[in-house]
Amino acid sequence: GAVVSQHPSRVICKSGTSVKIECRSLDFQATTMFWYRQFPKQSLMLMATSNEGSKATYEQGVEKDKFLINHASLTLSTLTVTSAHPEDSSFYICSPLGTGTEAFFGQGTRLTVV
Amino acid sequence: GENVEQHPSTLSVQEGDSAVIKCTYSDSASNYFPWYKQELGKRPQLIIDIRSNVGEKKDQRIAVTLNKTAKHFSLHITETQPEDSAVYFCAASFLNYGGATNKLIFGTGTLLAVQP
Repeated sequence: GAVVSQHPSRVICKSGTSVKIECRSLDFQATTMFWYRQFPKQSLMLMATSNEGSKATYEQGVEKDKFLINHASLTLSTLTVTSAHPEDSSFYICSPLGTGTEAFFGQGTRLTVV
Repeated sequence: GENVEQHPSTLSVQEGDSAVIKCTYSDSASNYFPWYKQELGKRPQLIIDIRSNVGEKKDQRIAVTLNKTAKHFSLHITETQPEDSAVYFCAASFLNYGGATNKLIFGTGTLLAVQP
């Protein structure tokens, strides 16, 4: 299967600061990246879809100015949580779109805002 | 909008018994239905999937059935073992003409506990 690397795996930050999460597809090129968020004991919810070289498409209820997505290359996409608050504490997972049927996921990033 | 409902939210079975989890989806254009097992703090792992042109698929102790007319699909685990304990998610997606999956709409999850 495809190799997807997501960093950091865990991060604790102070309220009001920004956090950047990186997602790399190591052995294939991903023109599209999906970003999901999962609150404790809840399902994975799609936040946004990004395409390399263009602006991301955000799902309803997701603030585009708060969750900045950059997809500058076919192997790297980043999600920046700006001015993080405790309610942003969650598990963030990237999923690059490959060429096959199976979806691949990064390891996930556990964000805790204190 | 797109929606996937999943039941039950929790399921407790005795080791060796069968477990069944059911999902319904709203988007009739969905044509790909994967099932994931997720352990705490880990990424989802694909355990089985089915395309809309197939009614049933089996892989050892795991099987999935799909009723496209009714827009529901089910996961069946037979001879359950304690290591099957985890959260299971169904999902619905749309495969493009190249066969690549699009965004996944996940169900709400089922916490399966297999009692030894």
